[in-house]
Amino acid sequence: KNEVEQSPQNLTAQEGEFITINCSYSVGISALHWLQQHPGGGIVSLFMLSSGKKKHGRLIATINIQEKHSSLHITASHPRDSAVYICAALVYNTDKLIFGTGTRLQVFP
Amino acid sequence: DADVTQTPRNRITKTGKRIMLECSQTKGHDRMYWYRQDPGLGLRLIYYSFDVKDINKGEISDGYSVSRQAQAKFSLSLESAIPNQTALYFCATSDSGLAGTSTDTQYFGPGTRLTVL
Repeated sequence: KNEVEQSPQNLTAQEGEFITINCSYSVGISALHWLQQHPGGGIVSLFMLSSGKKKHGRLIATINIQEKHSSLHITASHPRDSAVYICAALVYNTDKLIFGTGTRLQVFP
Repeated sequence: DADVTQTPRNRITKTGKRIMLECSQTKGHDRMYWYRQDPGLGLRLIYYSFDVKDINKGEISDGYSVSRQAQAKFSLSLESAIPNQTALYFCATSDSGLAGTSTDTQYFGPGTRLTVL
């Protein structure tokens, strides 16, 4: 079993839909990262959070430390949101990041 | 200009050849990392460096070596490339945290697609 698991692996949506991507982890963490990988391969950091919730534009990330679970939400999804979304857990008291395998999102007009 | 650059962006080489992938950053960060990405797998850490004099192996360092020539430069070498090193390679940087561990964002380069025939 991977220490960081994401679901679903693949997700398709119609433009405007509300999207939720889930990330569960089994290790103690200092923080959790959400990353976006564009179709061309480039990776951009979206959020780093250690508790609660963060919002940036149409993106919202939440984390529940007790349940070892984080979610990334996209409101009013748009085709340009199509990408692979990756969560990564920063193992407590280390610099080690453990990456999930990613969720491929396709948003159709 | 990009804060983290990688060269080359694409490379095709033959088994047994020595290959160097280069990474430069203008963010002034202490910490630099090399990852590889394979289809269906998460990013995996090859090597990381906390400063010029500090280099550490990651989870998949066999077959690779690195050099931190300066704070801004971190190179990854494949001494004798083999086909299962075909992958997408990413360099990343982060700033050091107050407690000595980084809780800061990692900034990724654009990736180098390496194919070993």
